Amino acid sequence: RKEVEQDPGPFNVPEGATVAFNCTYSNSASQSFFWYRQDCRKEPKLLMSVYSSGNEDGRFTAQLNRASQYISLLIRDSKLSDSATYLCVADNYGQNFVFGPGTRLSVLP
Amino acid sequence: EAQVTQNPRYLITVTGKKLTVTCSQNMNHEYMSWYRQDPGLGLRQIYYSMNVEVTDKGDVPEGYKVSRKEKRNFPLILESPSPNQTSLYFCASSSPSGRNYEQYFGPGTRLTVT
Repeated sequence: RKEVEQDPGPFNVPEGATVAFNCTYSNSASQSFFWYRQDCRKEPKLLMSVYSSGNEDGRFTAQLNRASQYISLLIRDSKLSDSATYLCVADNYGQNFVFGPGTRLSVLP
Repeated sequence: EAQVTQNPRYLITVTGKKLTVTCSQNMNHEYMSWYRQDPGLGLRQIYYSMNVEVTDKGDVPEGYKVSRKEKRNFPLILESPSPNQTSLYFCASSSPSGRNYEQYFGPGTRLTVT
């Protein structure tokens, strides 16, 4: 079983739609969680950190459920520019970054 | 400009010919790491370094070596490359920041071993 699992997609959604991605992690020692965005085999870039209390950054909302060991990302009002692969990451105090395989999103006009 | 640089960006080589991929960061980060990315498998950690002269194996270290003689540099060495090391390689660096450790990635090195 992979340490971090994601639905690979692709998710094809129309512009303006709301889309949600889930991610599960198996290492209960994981302390920090992130969502990264990766465009077409370019380097991953941090989208947002995920805090226990949940956090929001514009159209993006991240949630963490430690009891169930899953992380979610909600994108509201999808834009064409949101098309990318979204990578979920679980980390243990900077010593063990584990990436999920990524979920591919295509926002269609 | 804060950045992580990798060289070369593209490399085609033959089986058994030693090669080094360089990685350098200008952010004074303690932590550096190498990943490979393959279709369907995502990013997998090869080696990481918590600081100068401190390195440790990641999930897929076989066939690779690293060194950390200076804080800014973390080269990846393939002593005898094989075709199964054909992949997209990323170097990353980070430093503790509050509760989280954001990683900054280099632009990637696309390696083909024939």
